[in-house]
Amino acid sequence: QMHLQESGPRLVKPSETLSLTCSVSGGSISSSNYFWGWIRQSPGKGLEWIGTVYYVGDTYYSPSLRSRVAISVDTSRNQFSLKLSSVTAADTAFYYCVRHGRAALYHVFDIWGPGTMVTVSP
Amino acid sequence: SSDLTQDPAVSVALGQTVTITCQGDSLRTYYATWSQQKPGQAPKVVISGNNNRPPGISDRFSGSYSRNTASLTITGAQAEDEADYYCNAPDSSGDHVVFGGGTKVTVL
Repeated sequence: QMHLQESGPRLVKPSETLSLTCSVSGGSISSSNYFWGWIRQSPGKGLEWIGTVYYVGDTYYSPSLRSRVAISVDTSRNQFSLKLSSVTAADTAFYYCVRHGRAALYHVFDIWGPGTMVTVSP
Repeated sequence: SSDLTQDPAVSVALGQTVTITCQGDSLRTYYATWSQQKPGQAPKVVISGNNNRPPGISDRFSGSYSRNTASLTITGAQAEDEADYYCNAPDSSGDHVVFGGGTKVTVL
């Protein structure tokens, strides 16, 4: 059974870069059938898709975050990572890593990490 | 527009049926996926694509479509169905994902 686990600093200062890593166990990140993504949820708010990466490095980013986001993959470690630059208090949120299935006519986030709360504060 | 619109909250009596909706232009072309989120937990998919239920998901959950609206129906709602429900779908490009604002379902 596949598991995803987020790791990284829980506290980031304004204007700095938020960095998180997702470790995948129970399966290979190099599967051709799936992509790997990040989703966040501000306290008491809804879900927001941040972006997605394929194991060969192709990336897709939310248009609203594209200028500040970079998602990369490390197949040797079975991990993928998120970097979000120039953070503000508005980036304080629960961050989830997910397995992202992309069918022709729909997307499904079928496996989720437990999530990690990241706070942006001086 | 790539936005998906959901009603913020609905309530249903125990054992009755409730339908929540998700409206957006991209749903004229693409399917929605519905996820259930309980407090303190990560979301879990209940319906994806054209009414596909993952293993282990109750057949109380079903999906349907009409024009630009996707619907999730809970037939015979149980107390454990009380949760937030989110739809998501591709935007008009097909490459990006948009979420609806979520619907809080209360079982009375």
